[in-house]
Amino acid sequence: NAGVTQTPKFRVLKTGQSMTLLCAQDMNHEYMYWYRQDPGMGLRLIHYSVGEGTTAKGEVPDGYNVSRLKKQNFLLGLESAAPSQTSVYFCASRPWTGYNTEAFFGQGTRLTVV
Amino acid sequence: SQQGEEDPQALSIQEGENATMNCSYKTSINNLQWYRQNSGRGLVHLILIRSNEREKHSGRLRVTLDTSKKSSSLLITASRAADTASYFCATAPMDSNYQLIWGAGTKLIIKP
Repeated sequence: NAGVTQTPKFRVLKTGQSMTLLCAQDMNHEYMYWYRQDPGMGLRLIHYSVGEGTTAKGEVPDGYNVSRLKKQNFLLGLESAAPSQTSVYFCASRPWTGYNTEAFFGQGTRLTVV
Repeated sequence: SQQGEEDPQALSIQEGENATMNCSYKTSINNLQWYRQNSGRGLVHLILIRSNEREKHSGRLRVTLDTSKKSSSLLITASRAADTASYFCATAPMDSNYQLIWGAGTKLIIKP
């Protein structure tokens, strides 16, 4: 059971370039999340999805877009990367079987924008 | 905005000692969860305590929840070098099905 898999693990982009981060989960979870983590800080929610075909903005959505065409995949896109988007990005999934469920995380994508 | 606030921000103790971390939050919750993050890795769930529970144990972990003070504590007993990590609390607010609100974490260093 792979759990939550993020690709790629590392990436360096030039300012203005675009890229897509892929998150795949094999646990049939309804909820999926994209977070960013900056040094010394907790997780900040970028976008989330409560099911296939649905997405919503989180706390820091500007500069990012997402799609969830299939239940198992949640894609995060950067259309025109900026140095302020240098961060570690985490994807998480969570089942909806009530309120008291835990989140499962991928290993993270370390993105540097130069 | 972050609801959970961990205290202390950093903690350094000798192996074998107990480590206590605290988390405060602002709104009514369904549950509070603790996670561990080893350096450069994803977060791993440790324990979940429901709003109607006051204490929960899992191995060397003990979690307490005081909903009247909107606070929780995580105690790690008989610490080991492998416990070196950052620890985060996350709250599931009562008015949301999907949200988990995260604190900034406590960085724990266990000295051999």
